[in-house]
Amino acid sequence: AIQLTQSPSSLSASVGDRVTITCRARQGISNALAWYQQKPGKAPKLLIYDASTLETGVPSRFSGSRSGTDFTLTIGSLQPEDFATYYCQQFNNYPYTFGQGTKLEIK
Amino acid sequence: EVQLLESGGGLVQPGGSLRLSCVASGFSFSSYAMSWARQAPGKGLEWVAGISDSGGITYYGDSVKGRFTMSRDNSKNTVFLEMESLRAGDTALYYCARISRRRSGYVYLYYGMDVWGQGTTVTVSS
Repeated sequence: AIQLTQSPSSLSASVGDRVTITCRARQGISNALAWYQQKPGKAPKLLIYDASTLETGVPSRFSGSRSGTDFTLTIGSLQPEDFATYYCQQFNNYPYTFGQGTKLEIK
Repeated sequence: EVQLLESGGGLVQPGGSLRLSCVASGFSFSSYAMSWARQAPGKGLEWVAGISDSGGITYYGDSVKGRFTMSRDNSKNTVFLEMESLRAGDTALYYCARISRRRSGYVYLYYGMDVWGQGTTVTVSS
């Protein structure tokens, strides 16, 4: 199974900050990476797919990029509703593994 | 409205079995691959299993391979997860999700789980 390693595991930031979360794949996965947001007690929500394509309805302050096997989720200007846990997931090979998650907390 | 509704969770003893169901509505169910993912209490997401749109192909995560079986009934817009030889480590909230795809030449590429249910809780304990 393809291992995905997210960093950091947790992050404290303030409203208005720009934050970056990284997901590193153990082997090449092309652009086959998605990002999700999960709030407490809720199901995950798809934010970005194909490494950089924004899902319909997701605010443009969210963006994704890829450099080799490193993938980045950036939130341009944090809003109060963005404090949540973020996961990456690869779709290059079964099983479609997730990263371990990054918890974004209010500073 | 596009919706997924899971059921079938509950308390089961170690070594026992359980069958989860997920009923879909609001979209052309037979055109989509489907999957199950789970989340142990206070932990991250784990992908469990996936099934093709026709049901002819299934895939499993390493931790459940040989114990879990995913199937679907397109006439009833339903996917199932048959779980056997359950262990304490299988205790989790189980989510059903739709896998989105797009055509690339002669093949489909899967790219995200875009619709999720609210989950059903499985507790394995004596």
